[in-house]
Amino acid sequence: SQQGEEDPQALSIQEGENATMNCSYKTSINNLQWYRQNSGRGLVHLILIRSNEREKHSGRLRVTLDTSKKSSSLLITASRAADTASYFCATDARGNTGKLIFGQGTTLQVKP
Amino acid sequence: EAQVTQNPRYLITVTGKKLTVTCSQNMNHEYMSWYRQDPGLGLRQIYYSMNVEVTDKGDVPEGYKVSRKEKRNFPLILESPSPNQTSLYFCASSLQGPYNEQFFGPGTRLTVL
Repeated sequence: SQQGEEDPQALSIQEGENATMNCSYKTSINNLQWYRQNSGRGLVHLILIRSNEREKHSGRLRVTLDTSKKSSSLLITASRAADTASYFCATDARGNTGKLIFGQGTTLQVKP
Repeated sequence: EAQVTQNPRYLITVTGKKLTVTCSQNMNHEYMSWYRQDPGLGLRQIYYSMNVEVTDKGDVPEGYKVSRKEKRNFPLILESPSPNQTSLYFCASSLQGPYNEQFFGPGTRLTVL
């Protein structure tokens, strides 16, 4: 079953603007992670936020987590053309199963 | 260099011809997993392994087999491939379970005719 759902599916912005992507999930989680994928390549880990955290920053990335709404958002500030990629959230279900569930992803295009 | 390697990177085969996609990691990770990626569906987990000799089904295990006889290797076996298994496959590993940063291989693009 697909746990992570992302919104929007596609996003196009100008360089310098901020980009916000949202992820919703269905069951209680231990952690939520965000990954980036450049066209057809392997995914690269961006940031992990634990279920007891509400916000986390890493460089130009800001992630929020609202466990009551079962949702997370990824904000990329001052976007660059090099940020053009697909972004995925991934959740592991509470209960120590080994499953990791990815969302369908948001495709971000940053125009120079 | 710490990495996850997959072979082959590209494969075109025919229906019913058994194939194996290898995955190897050099980071002494306990957890390894396989995903397939299809347009509009994101990544879907096929199988995962919490440690040596321990494997379990993900969300889409039908038509696939795996084994974990040693820590570094986690091959994906398609006993009788079918066209609906045409996809982009990724192997990933992490220190311990799905709760940590996952390190992904470069992907294997499989076409089954």
